[in-house]
Amino acid sequence: ELKVEQNPLFLSMQEGKNYTIYCNYSTTSDRLYWYRQDPGKSLESLFVLLSNGAVKQEGRLMASLDTKARLSTLHITAAVHDLSATYFCAPLRGGGADGLTFGKGTHLIIQP
Amino acid sequence: DAEITQSPRHKITETGRQVTLACHQTWNHNNMFWYRQDLGHGLRLIHYSYGVQDTNKGEVSDGYSVSRSNTEDLPLTLESAASSQTSVYFCASSAGQEPYEQYFGPGTRLTVT
Repeated sequence: ELKVEQNPLFLSMQEGKNYTIYCNYSTTSDRLYWYRQDPGKSLESLFVLLSNGAVKQEGRLMASLDTKARLSTLHITAAVHDLSATYFCAPLRGGGADGLTFGKGTHLIIQP
Repeated sequence: DAEITQSPRHKITETGRQVTLACHQTWNHNNMFWYRQDLGHGLRLIHYSYGVQDTNKGEVSDGYSVSRSNTEDLPLTLESAASSQTSVYFCASSAGQEPYEQYFGPGTRLTVT
């Protein structure tokens, strides 16, 4: 059974600072997805990581995947208030159509 | 533009009643999924479907059923609603090929009293 652990679950940080969210998972998966959720809203796709060593960047966010270590990271550079949200990582359960297993999410608050 | 919609957006029902939540996508995606979101649990997979007439159980399928009669729709039925099924329900879909990226609907907030 695939288990996903995100750290930290809650993070309060100041604008301008850097930080990393970690996503560890228990069994082999070479596809991992990051989503963002604003309060009361749906999930928005951020990154699709499809292979070992994959790195994707969008603005102040950068995601990476190490399938051998079963670890993905989401790095925030020079945080701004608009990045306040809950971030979920989700490795693929099995084949492409088998659904995702989500971490519990990291609730990120960025204060001025 | 292609989209995925859910209805109703909010629903209050009583214990023991049958409830059906609708999900409709215009992406022409083969794969469709139902998740529930609860505080402290993230999202958990209820059921999923690879295509018409195909359905599969996820990790929390007890008390739920789905049917897939066409590509666009995957309704979720709670056979006899229980208070433990109070949750926010999300439908998602993905293409039947790489990168299998899932697109989520707006969600249905269900309260069972």
